[in-house]
Amino acid sequence: GQNIDQPTEMTATEGAIVQINCTYQTSGFNGLFWYQQHAGEAPTFLSYNVLDGLEEKGRFSSFLSRSKGYSYLLLKELQMKDSASYLCAVNRDDKIIFGKGTRLHILP
Amino acid sequence: DVKVTQSSRYLVKRTGEKVFLECVQDMDHENMFWYRQDPGLGLRLIYFSYDVKMKEKGDIPEGYSVSREKKERFSLILESASTNQTSMYLCASSSGAVSNQPQHFGDGTRLSIL
Repeated sequence: GQNIDQPTEMTATEGAIVQINCTYQTSGFNGLFWYQQHAGEAPTFLSYNVLDGLEEKGRFSSFLSRSKGYSYLLLKELQMKDSASYLCAVNRDDKIIFGKGTRLHILP
Repeated sequence: DVKVTQSSRYLVKRTGEKVFLECVQDMDHENMFWYRQDPGLGLRLIYFSYDVKMKEKGDIPEGYSVSREKKERFSLILESASTNQTSMYLCASSSGAVSNQPQHFGDGTRLSIL
């Protein structure tokens, strides 16, 4: 999706920590969203980053480096219900562009 | 809680038919969007609207049109359906500035064109 790159799939173990990376072209960048999408369901909003740094929300945190065109979503204390796709979406020149998503599998 | 409602969860139509997908949101949001989601391709923007009677093309508008006669309703129209339009269609809405407001999605319509 227009030079937004995320890994296609990842696997992690229940109780562990996983980091999902997203890289993007920096031109026109205005902010970055993360969404969670369970299979067969609608995407739901997780986080929004516009400034550099880490934003924590319970078990989920999101990090942004504007100069490097890099973000990650960190999921701690993984639970089986965290099995889902995670979508990175970039606001570029006030247009939202989605990456192809990362499918996360959680093993018991 | 914001509610975005899409008229059908599953829809089967034939090649050449005119198809209407309806979307209604109940939170007085200014912005509404239509996406399609295909395996390996992610979410792709078809059309969006920032206001009543206003529409703008997204990345893949060909073969589609939209209508926004009322603020709460955004319709996607396939003028003459083709098999390559078989997909999951997602409607979304957001408030205020597109740049920093999250989008709220409907449950999607899985459309099959035979």
